[in-house]
Amino acid sequence: AQTVTQSQPEMSVQEAETVTLSCTYDTSESDYYLFWYKQPPSRQMILVIRQEAYKQQNATENRFSVNFQKAAKSFSLKISDSQLGDAAMYFCAYRENTGNQFYFGTGTSLTVIP
Amino acid sequence: SQTIHQWPATLVQPVGSPLSLECTVEGTSNPNLYWYRQAAGRGLQLLFYSVGIGQISSEVPQNLSASRPQDRQFILSSKKLLLSDSGFYLCAWSGGAIGYTFGSGTRLTVV
Repeated sequence: AQTVTQSQPEMSVQEAETVTLSCTYDTSESDYYLFWYKQPPSRQMILVIRQEAYKQQNATENRFSVNFQKAAKSFSLKISDSQLGDAAMYFCAYRENTGNQFYFGTGTSLTVIP
Repeated sequence: SQTIHQWPATLVQPVGSPLSLECTVEGTSNPNLYWYRQAAGRGLQLLFYSVGIGQISSEVPQNLSASRPQDRQFILSSKKLLLSDSGFYLCAWSGGAIGYTFGSGTRLTVV
């Protein structure tokens, strides 16, 4: 079964600094998708960024970028110029190309220090 | 554009009472629909998913059930709530590689 592991239950970062959240996954598939979701205190789940496994180029969305290492099955999220509004729980997720189900990690709680 | 509606936002129910949470999607047809539960301070647990009307897959045996009476409607139910059913319930739909779009969630407290 596919598993997604987030080994950092909590992280903190100084405002305007950069932080990297880790995620590893286990799969025997070669074609799949990876996602990072943000859950602020409102608990609304928001898609931050996604990566298609067949693409070698790392995805970027403004201050958010990923480091996708397919061979190592690693998918980390880098947040640059951290802002107070970035404080949230972040979930890494995996989905097979032909699958219906998403597999989520247990989340990393990010605190941004003013 | 596609939108997803989930209600109610907050619910307090006594043990043994029934439950009905509703989720509807607009702006798309034949979506894959999902119900997740998130216990306090924990990750998301997939409860049910549906790929079409009347088609329900259950991931976790429990006190809950789901139904999909219409293409864009997904309902989570229980005949008799347990204390352990308390949590935050999220509905989501998937339109492919864009990932999930989540509803705003329902905070259920069973007392």
